Amino acid sequence: QVQLVQSGAEVKQPGASVKVSCKASGYTFSKHWMHWVRQAPGQGLEWMGIINPDAGTTSYAQKLQGRLTLTRDTSASTFSMELNNLQSEDTAVYYCARDHSLGSAWWFDPWGQGTLVTVSS
Amino acid sequence: SSELTQDPAVSVALGQTVRITCQGDSLRTYSPSWYQQKPGQAPVLVIHAKDNRPSGIADRFSGASSGDTASLTITGAQAEDEADYYCNSRASSGFYWVFGGGTHVTVL
Repeated sequence: QVQLVQSGAEVKQPGASVKVSCKASGYTFSKHWMHWVRQAPGQGLEWMGIINPDAGTTSYAQKLQGRLTLTRDTSASTFSMELNNLQSEDTAVYYCARDHSLGSAWWFDPWGQGTLVTVSS
Repeated sequence: SSELTQDPAVSVALGQTVRITCQGDSLRTYSPSWYQQKPGQAPVLVIHAKDNRPSGIADRFSGASSGDTASLTITGAQAEDEADYYCNSRASSGFYWVFGGGTHVTVL
C-alpha cells in the first residue's frame, strides 16, 4: 500500500534551519507530485509548496518564498522540505501529501504522519 | 481572491444531517476536495473531484459544488464523525493551493 513516512520531531533555535524528509513507498515515485502542508498549534492547514519528482520543479507559497526549499532524491524515493531562518511562528506540524489530478480536480492522498517542528530558544 | 471561507463550527444531533460549506472564487475554476482531521492525527481525504468518495470512506459523506460554493454533507452523523473538516482547491490564478479555515463538527 502507498505509504509516506516522515522523519522525527525537531527542536530548533530561532534563526536556524530544519530539514524534514518524507519517504514514499508503494507506488511509482515519478508519477505523483508531492505537496507540503503545515499546521501551527490549534490552527488550520496551510499549503506550503509542491515539487515535481521528475524534473524537480517547484512552486512555493508566496509568504514562504526565499525561506523554503523542496527537493527530492529519486534514488531513495524521498522528498525533503527545508525551511530557513526559523521563527517562533514556524512552530507547527509539517506534512507531506501526495498529489492527484484529473482535469480541473486536484487532491491530496495519502498524507504522511506529520513531523512536529518546535522553534524555541 | 484566493481564499476559501468556511464556518468555524457546526453541531449536529446523532443520526441527523449536517452540511458544511466552503466559498471562494477558485471553486468556479477548480473542483474542491475535503479532508477530515481528528485530534492528533493527519488529515484524511473524504471527498475529491467535487463529489467522489475514496474507497473506505463511509457513504454517508457526500459532496457538491456549484459556482463559488462547495458543500460537504454528512447524512446520519455518527459519533466518530466529530472532527475538523477542511476544504481545498487549487487557486484560480497561479500554481498554488488554498485551504479553507476549517469547520469543527460536534456530534451531540
